[in-house]
Amino acid sequence: DGGITQSPKYLFRKEGQNVTLSCEQNLNHDAMYWYRQDPGQGLRLIYYSQIVNDFQKGDIAEGYSVSREKKESFPLTVTSAQKNPTAFYLCASPGQGKPFGPGTRLLVL
Amino acid sequence: AQTVTQSQPEMSVQEAETVTLSCTYDTSESDYYLFWYKQPPSRQMILVIRQEAYKQQNATENRFSVNFQKAAKSFSLKISDSQLGDAAMYFCAYMDSNYQLIWGAGTKLIIKP
Repeated sequence: DGGITQSPKYLFRKEGQNVTLSCEQNLNHDAMYWYRQDPGQGLRLIYYSQIVNDFQKGDIAEGYSVSREKKESFPLTVTSAQKNPTAFYLCASPGQGKPFGPGTRLLVL
Repeated sequence: AQTVTQSQPEMSVQEAETVTLSCTYDTSESDYYLFWYKQPPSRQMILVIRQEAYKQQNATENRFSVNFQKAAKSFSLKISDSQLGDAAMYFCAYMDSNYQLIWGAGTKLIIKP
C-alpha cells in the first residue's frame, strides 16, 4: 500500500535542542510539503520541495531546516532558533493516493 | 498568486439538516484541482471530495457534494443529512498542475443534536 509515514507520533524537545521529524513516502511523488498547525488554526507552509535536492521556503521557514537527498524522504529539523515549536506538524505529498501523513505532535519540555 | 478563501470561520447545523460551506479561490491557471478535507479532533486529514477543474460535472460522494462554479471561482461543499460524526474542521484546498497546494483557513463545523 502506498502512503506517507511520519515519525514519531509524539516528540518532546528540551530547550536549546534540535529535533528532526521524519517524513517518508513510497508514492513516487516529486512534491513534498511540511505544514505547521496550531490549535484551532489552519495549515501554514514551512518548506516544500518539488524535486530531489531542491526545496523552497514557505511562509514560516524561520527556525526550521529541511533536506531532500532522496525522493522518498523529506525530514524537517526544528532548530533551537524556533522559539515556539509546540504544534502539530503535517507532511504532505500530493498526487494519486492519500496525500497526508498522520502527523507529529511536538511538545517542549 | 493563487489564494483560497473560506469566509466562514464557524458554522453550525442541526443534526439531519443540510449545511453548505463556502470556498472561493483565485487563479489564472486553467488546469487545477480542488479539494475539501475534513480534520476531526484526531488531527488526521481526511479527503472528503475532489474536483478536477476540467470536469463540468459537480463531484459527489454519498452525503457530500460540491457546487463548482469555475467562472465565479467558487467551490462550496454541501453536506446533506448532517451527522454528529461530521463535526470537524473543514479545509478547502487548491492544487495546480505542479502539485503546489494552497489552503483556506478552515471552517469549524458544529453539529447540534
